[in-house]
Amino acid sequence: GAVVSQHPSWVICKSGTSVKIECRSLDFQATTMFWYRQFPKQSLMLMATSNEGSKATYEQGVEKDKFLINHASLTLSTLTVTSAHPEDSSFYICSAREGASGRTNEQFFGPGTRLTVL
Amino acid sequence: ILNVEQSPQSLHVQEGDSTNFTCSFPSSNFYALHWYRWETAKSPEALFVMTLNGDEKKKGRISATLNTKEGYSYLYIKGSQPEDSATYLCACANAGNNRKLIWGLGTSLAVNP
Repeated sequence: GAVVSQHPSWVICKSGTSVKIECRSLDFQATTMFWYRQFPKQSLMLMATSNEGSKATYEQGVEKDKFLINHASLTLSTLTVTSAHPEDSSFYICSAREGASGRTNEQFFGPGTRLTVL
Repeated sequence: ILNVEQSPQSLHVQEGDSTNFTCSFPSSNFYALHWYRWETAKSPEALFVMTLNGDEKKKGRISATLNTKEGYSYLYIKGSQPEDSATYLCACANAGNNRKLIWGLGTSLAVNP
């Protein structure tokens, strides 16, 4: 149980194009999903938190107009990197939380998406 | 800014060896400590969540302890197996920053057969 899928697993795109990454909870309803980014030799950094049916909450320094997050259903959240540039090349990974998890805040992760912008 | 440190950065052990890693974090406003296991090309897998000082959790050959007063957690693997090879991540939630998870860089474990 508690499986999260992410698609695509890797993508290469040209500078200036937009890329959409999907995150799905396959066997549970995720009221909250998290989007992280990991640059080489750095730790996972939270980009934004999205709750189903409401606007995402972005972390400081993350441009909401550049990283569009949609959490339209309890099983799907999407991250769109708009007008991607080489500096956006990174590993993007989502996680999902089922309902109110209380103090544990247990998150289930997708396998991640490697984005390379040429 | 909450800083989570993990040591060692990497570790090579022989099959059958027991090993342990450390995760250190600021002790003030502690909320919860998570351990994850991350194999290459797979999703990070939750191992333990600990919230109380003195907590000890165990799953098979893997166990973890928590000291919130001094700000550290240990992860132990008894009798390492090649399939234990992975990166072990810890993440700390702090009551002062809306309980979001702050991650360490991980300890990369390689178990040689």
